[in-house]
Amino acid sequence: DGGITQSPKYLFRKEGQNVTLSCEQNLNHDAMYWYRQDPGQGLRLIYYSQIVNDFQKGDIAEGYSVSREKKESFPLTVTSAQKNPTAFYLCASSASGISYEQYFGPGTRLTVT
Amino acid sequence: GQSLEQPSEVTAVEGAIVQINCTYQTSGFYGLSWYQQHDGGAPTFLSYNALDGLEETGRFSSFLSRSDSYGYLLLQELQMKDSASYFCAVRDDKAAGNKLTFGGGTRVLVKP
Repeated sequence: DGGITQSPKYLFRKEGQNVTLSCEQNLNHDAMYWYRQDPGQGLRLIYYSQIVNDFQKGDIAEGYSVSREKKESFPLTVTSAQKNPTAFYLCASSASGISYEQYFGPGTRLTVT
Repeated sequence: GQSLEQPSEVTAVEGAIVQINCTYQTSGFYGLSWYQQHDGGAPTFLSYNALDGLEETGRFSSFLSRSDSYGYLLLQELQMKDSASYFCAVRDDKAAGNKLTFGGGTRVLVKP
């Protein structure tokens, strides 16, 4: 079955700790995205990557970092510099040139206390 | 910058028709997508309009007017399972990578 997996589903961390969220896809998509969603809000783009070894900042990149060493994988690190990291994080992918149709993973709900 | 406006919430009964409007202001425009998200779940793609007019996919239809910077999603023969949030998203041809900008979402509540 093709799809996107994110792990873990729930994550708890203490303030001041970096945490890495996993995102893997087996859809053979070139483009991958990370979004943040706060309660009752829309999706805000953190980072996106159109191809391996290349990525661009989205609208709210401060306090986050990513890597794209493999086509299938696009991990997101939430650093201690992110002032308000508690949120629902969604990873997505799309075929090249078809960014309007994105496939989303199940999300990771991060709680930082 | 980009901005998209949608109503925050709509309530309707089973079998009814609901229209969710989306107005947008973007530096460039390539097309308008719609996504559905159930509580706690992942968004799923519903439709995409690049040209003016109505696109029909089963009970759901989507409309676009580029001259009015406006689109809508029409949900017909509402079912309880349609209770979810619906997001419009603009594909901006002037943004690198043709990324999507999402609206704040419209929560649809279907009552028996």
